[in-house]
Amino acid sequence: AQSVAQPEDQVNVAEGNPLTVKCTYSVSGNPYLFWYVQYPNRGLQFLLKYITGDNLVKGSYGFEAEFNKSQTSFHLKKPSALVSDSALYFCAVRDMERAAGNKLTFGGGTRVLVKP
Amino acid sequence: NAGVMQNPRHLVRRRGQEARLRCSPMKGHSHVYWYRQLPEEGLKFMVYLQKENIIDESGMPKERFSAEFPKEGPSILRIQQVVRGDSAAYFCASSQGTGGLGNTQYFGPGTRLTVL
Repeated sequence: AQSVAQPEDQVNVAEGNPLTVKCTYSVSGNPYLFWYVQYPNRGLQFLLKYITGDNLVKGSYGFEAEFNKSQTSFHLKKPSALVSDSALYFCAVRDMERAAGNKLTFGGGTRVLVKP
Repeated sequence: NAGVMQNPRHLVRRRGQEARLRCSPMKGHSHVYWYRQLPEEGLKFMVYLQKENIIDESGMPKERFSAEFPKEGPSILRIQQVVRGDSAAYFCASSQGTGGLGNTQYFGPGTRLTVL
């Protein structure tokens, strides 16, 4: 079985400060890992993903995430947050093993509030 | 290139009625997924389909829910005899493939179902 944990329901940060949103995962095999962002009453927008290779993945809007296999983590980061980054962020995992299927398992989400 | 399209965006039904939710995948995508999001929760996988085939329905409730992805036309998620607990946002996603670079799921704007 696969699972994702986002330990923080909400993260508050001042504009211009670094932003980190935490995510840990559990899969039987090797993971595909994803970050999505959801604005109010909208669908999920894809930010970035880890498949294989470099542990540091760069994505849209200046976001990046670091895959850490030993800690089973995939934290999302942005060096300098903007007010417009305020949204709901979801981490998701998919097990690479074919038998696990193609479904994504999502964390509960972390609400980010960036204050001016 | 149009993204994933869902309609209707909002749907209101009375208890006992049927709800039909439609999803057109991105151009070139042949894999469709349905997820449900309850208020203030993450997304939960429901079903994964390819053209004319249900590949994984492990997240579908055993009764009243069905899904199809016909050879022609959109994917349909059908909920019969709706109950208040079916009120949620239903998101469709599509992907080009399932492995490696082609496995990113792109989401539609969702259908918000309200059962009175």
